[in-house]
Amino acid sequence: DAEITQSPRHKITETGRQVTLACHQTWNHNNMFWYRQDLGHGLRLIHYSYGVQDTNKGEVSDGYSVSRSNTEDLPLTLESAASSQTSVYFCASSSNIGQGGGYTFGSGTRLTVV
Amino acid sequence: AQSVSQHNHHVILSEAASLELGCNYSYGGTVNLFWYVQYPGQHLQLLLKYFSGDPLVKGIKGFEAEFIKSKFSFNLRKPSVQWSDTAEYFCAVRNTGFQKLVFGTGTRLLVSP
Repeated sequence: DAEITQSPRHKITETGRQVTLACHQTWNHNNMFWYRQDLGHGLRLIHYSYGVQDTNKGEVSDGYSVSRSNTEDLPLTLESAASSQTSVYFCASSSNIGQGGGYTFGSGTRLTVV
Repeated sequence: AQSVSQHNHHVILSEAASLELGCNYSYGGTVNLFWYVQYPGQHLQLLLKYFSGDPLVKGIKGFEAEFIKSKFSFNLRKPSVQWSDTAEYFCAVRNTGFQKLVFGTGTRLLVSP
């Protein structure tokens, strides 16, 4: 069955370190997204991609970067981790609207920056 | 920019009570509307979605939502909640032609047995 997987599930890192969160989908979806979930803020969009070599900034992109070298993967990198980036991170993918358009979410990565 | 408001941050109900969660969005153009549920410790799952057609949408687990264009609303309803409905519920909106989903801040529902 097709799926979207995130790794690791939990991560503790120190302030200033570079961290990469993985997202891999086997749905063959063109569109992939990274959100962070924080109490009182719901889900906020960090970065997104509509296809290979395409990346775009979301509403809270500062301190984060992504790259899309193939259809399946959209890794999220925190260049220099900060305590404000402690959060739960969700990756999602979707097909184009004409094909249904719903999102499929990964199980999340809980990141703690100490 | 599109924004989504969920006015009820926390709701506590007894089993068998009726549920209605409010959702309002700001953009006046053509939109796609979604409700997602997140059970404790789990990822988001789609409850229902509205793209076009009948404004009353039925989803999984007995949930339904009504799109009222004049009120920019997409409220979620369930006639009789169960303890297993305890979860966080998110409304999300997407402007037609774009892929980005904008989420509300969520409503935490606690159903007491």
